[in-house]
Amino acid sequence: GESVGLHLPTLSVQEGDNSIINCAYSNSASDYFIWYKQESGKGPQFIIDIRSNMDKRQGQRVTVLLNKTVKHLSLQIAATQPGDSAVYFCAEINAGGTSYGKLTFGQGTILTVHP
Amino acid sequence: DADVTQTPRNRITKTGKRIMLECSQTKGHDRMYWYRQDPGLGLQLIYYSFDVKDINKGEISDGYSVSRQAQAKFSLSLESAIPNQTALYFCATSEGQVWDEQFFGPGTRLTVL
Repeated sequence: GESVGLHLPTLSVQEGDNSIINCAYSNSASDYFIWYKQESGKGPQFIIDIRSNMDKRQGQRVTVLLNKTVKHLSLQIAATQPGDSAVYFCAEINAGGTSYGKLTFGQGTILTVHP
Repeated sequence: DADVTQTPRNRITKTGKRIMLECSQTKGHDRMYWYRQDPGLGLQLIYYSFDVKDINKGEISDGYSVSRQAQAKFSLSLESAIPNQTALYFCATSEGQVWDEQFFGPGTRLTVL
């Protein structure tokens, strides 16, 4: 069946370091992959997405890499700040030829940034 | 996101009680969603609605029902709450494409004793 999972449930880094959060997926038919950030007591917040026909996309301080050969997705955060501490979820979209893209979430990685 | 509001933010209830969670949005989006989140896990889709006349079941709809009263309002009901429905519940909205960013509300923490 479809699944999106994470290699590491927790990640601790020092402020200023770069962070890499990984995600494995199994559905090669997914159309988009998305990273969400969820801070304590809040709903998930969109960070960045990447279409399945791309292998890299950059945003502000974040880069998402997609390796379809090994079905691997990663989120790189440059110069990590204490405000980046949160749970990060990867998710995938599979429209399956319909007008609705079903969003499937992975388990989540807890990122802790130490000052 | 302040454009998506949920009430109540916290609720403690007893087994067998009927509970309604409400969601309102000012983004003008057609699509609205209800998700459930269990500790340490990602979100699971309960129901989604493309417009006021279009409501669809998600992955885990058993034990839940919804009502889309208007474009801006989407309510989730638990007709007879049970303890394993204790979770965080999130409402979200999006525009009308296959993939549009979903904007999430702040969540409702529901505890069923």
